[in-house]
Amino acid sequence: VQLVESGGGVVQPGGSLRLSCAASGFKFDDYAMHWVRQAPGKGLEWVSLINGDGGTTYYADSVKGRFTISRDNSKNSLYLQMNSLRIEDIAFYYCAKSLAPRRLDWFDPWGRGTLVTVSS
Amino acid sequence: DIQMTQSPSSVSASVGDRVTITCRASQGISTWLAWYQQKPGKAPNLLIYGASSLQSGVPSRFSGSGSGTDFTLTISSLQPEDFATYYCQQANSFPFSFGPGTKVDIK
Repeated sequence: VQLVESGGGVVQPGGSLRLSCAASGFKFDDYAMHWVRQAPGKGLEWVSLINGDGGTTYYADSVKGRFTISRDNSKNSLYLQMNSLRIEDIAFYYCAKSLAPRRLDWFDPWGRGTLVTVSS
Repeated sequence: DIQMTQSPSSVSASVGDRVTITCRASQGISTWLAWYQQKPGKAPNLLIYGASSLQSGVPSRFSGSGSGTDFTLTISSLQPEDFATYYCQQANSFPFSFGPGTKVDIK
């Protein structure tokens, strides 16, 4: 199983960024996927979840209405569209696979992360 | 929303020591709890899920217990590769949440 995030970078406050996570080594559409973030030197914060067919999503209150999670099962890819970015969104963003098929709960494994920086 | 707390925030220990970390949920979460290990510059790694189930490939010196609001991660005999930060996570209800972490460093 391999998860590789991309799309991080520097963006101005109020700007947008789209993160991607390329998955391999497992039947992608059987598994829910998550985004979890970590501000530099800080703890972990769960961001969002999407189930295997993309029909169910959940968000942390801190990103609701600004971030959109999606997936393309034909491309084995997960996405996070981030709009109206704020200074407090600065973090490493990890994608993670749910541990078991059709379950939503545990995160295993995780990708290596991509860094999002919000700065003017 | 469910808030997670951990204690201690850091612990200094020696190789061979028994280390216990506690995690408390702000409301009952049954056994919907996991533990992760994170080393500097690396992504977290799942150790324990369902409060007490050991993830495949994780050494048996790691164990978890608890239910309801109080949980424990125990490392029975600390090894050099165990120096890291440990996080608990609840999956009882959305939004999922993590504890603030416990750093285990060398005494």
